[in-house]
Amino acid sequence: AQTVTQSQPEMSVQEAETVTLSCTYDTSESDYYLFWYKQPPSRQMILVIRQEAYKQQNATENRFSVNFQKAAKSFSLKISDSQLGDAAMYFCAYRSRESNFGNEKLTFGTGTRLTIIP
Amino acid sequence: NAGVMQNPRHLVRRRGQEARLRCSPMKGHSHVYWYRQLPEEGLKFMVYLQKENIIDESGMPKERFSAEFPKEGPSILRIQQVVRGDSAAYFCASSLQAGVLNEQFFGPGTRLTVL
Repeated sequence: AQTVTQSQPEMSVQEAETVTLSCTYDTSESDYYLFWYKQPPSRQMILVIRQEAYKQQNATENRFSVNFQKAAKSFSLKISDSQLGDAAMYFCAYRSRESNFGNEKLTFGTGTRLTIIP
Repeated sequence: NAGVMQNPRHLVRRRGQEARLRCSPMKGHSHVYWYRQLPEEGLKFMVYLQKENIIDESGMPKERFSAEFPKEGPSILRIQQVVRGDSAAYFCASSLQAGVLNEQFFGPGTRLTVL
């Protein structure tokens, strides 16, 4: 079974600065997807960014980018130019890419609460 | 295009009562997933359904919990004889298809409180 670990329960960053959230995972599979989700106080889960394991290039979405290290099974999220609206819980998640209907589920980490300091 | 809808948003039940949580997927989506989030924890997968079929229920407790996704109407997560430990936020997600990189769109969740 796959596991996802987020070792930082809380992080804080000054507005406009850069912050990196850590995520490691454990799997025996070679092909999979990784995701970062944001959960603001409204509790709505919002997809921030995703990475396909077979792609070596790190994904980027505007101010959000990832550092994907497949050998180390590490998938960190970098938020540049932090804004007040970035304050939220951030969850790292894993999904198998094997074409098996039993592998559609997302496996989440325990989350990192990000606070933005004005 | 409306997103994933869940109702009720908040549900209070006393121990021993039944809880019924509803999820209407996005238009055109035929794959539904239920997740549970206990306080201060991440989401945990419960069950994955396609229309009229349960595909993967590996995360669902064997007793008291059941799920369905009928041909017509919303998906229902049913919890019988609720206990305090069932208090959690229950999230539903839907996707257009399976087997490929296919985003799961989440609903706003139902917060269940068991007194």
